[in-house]
Amino acid sequence: ETGVTQTPRHLVMGMTNKKSLKCEQHLGHNAMYWYKQSAKKPLELMFVYSLEERVENNSVPSRFSPECPNSSHLFLHLHTLQPEDSALYLCASSQDVLKTQYFGPGTRLLVL
Amino acid sequence: GENVEQHPSTLSVQEGDSAVIKCTYSDSASNYFPWYKQELGKGPQLIIDIRSNVGEKKDQRIAVTLNKTAKHFSLHITETQPEDSAVYFCAASRETSYDKVIFGPGTSLSVIP
Repeated sequence: ETGVTQTPRHLVMGMTNKKSLKCEQHLGHNAMYWYKQSAKKPLELMFVYSLEERVENNSVPSRFSPECPNSSHLFLHLHTLQPEDSALYLCASSQDVLKTQYFGPGTRLLVL
Repeated sequence: GENVEQHPSTLSVQEGDSAVIKCTYSDSASNYFPWYKQELGKGPQLIIDIRSNVGEKKDQRIAVTLNKTAKHFSLHITETQPEDSAVYFCAASRETSYDKVIFGPGTSLSVIP
């Protein structure tokens, strides 16, 4: 256990559905991240939050919408996804944006 | 853009042998190099890291070496055990710029008992 939990662990959704991924960290960290992990591709940083404020969006499509209500929780709201969005979505946290990141187990997403 | 190459993509070794994974980075301003291990069904876990002011770092059976001139860094695992089987990722980043964390594509290591 790394102190970062993610729910659900698996999700299947149609292209017209709306769903949300949840991440919670119990480490007292002040920065949180969303990554996308696709097969045979490097990890892709999607969003960075520091002190609940979004500080980076690496040109992610608007069908992905993050929310960080407090320093312990991070959400990724999904709507009208495409099949190519199927991947493992990983959440991570760190103490300060520049420090070592601790990853959750990920949500395996399949878009049909 | 900047990228990190990692080789080999798959590696099989006999239990007790050593395993070496090599990474090359393109951003000469990178100064922090973590290595992550990802087991099946889990997220990546940091196993060792090195900063640019150090050429080598060791932690029990794992070690990392860095050649800043050549922009190479490597992970060495000695006396491999079956529980070392996992996917290993290297990364290169600037500690002054969070958006410059670039991950390698990963190496799938299998340790054969």
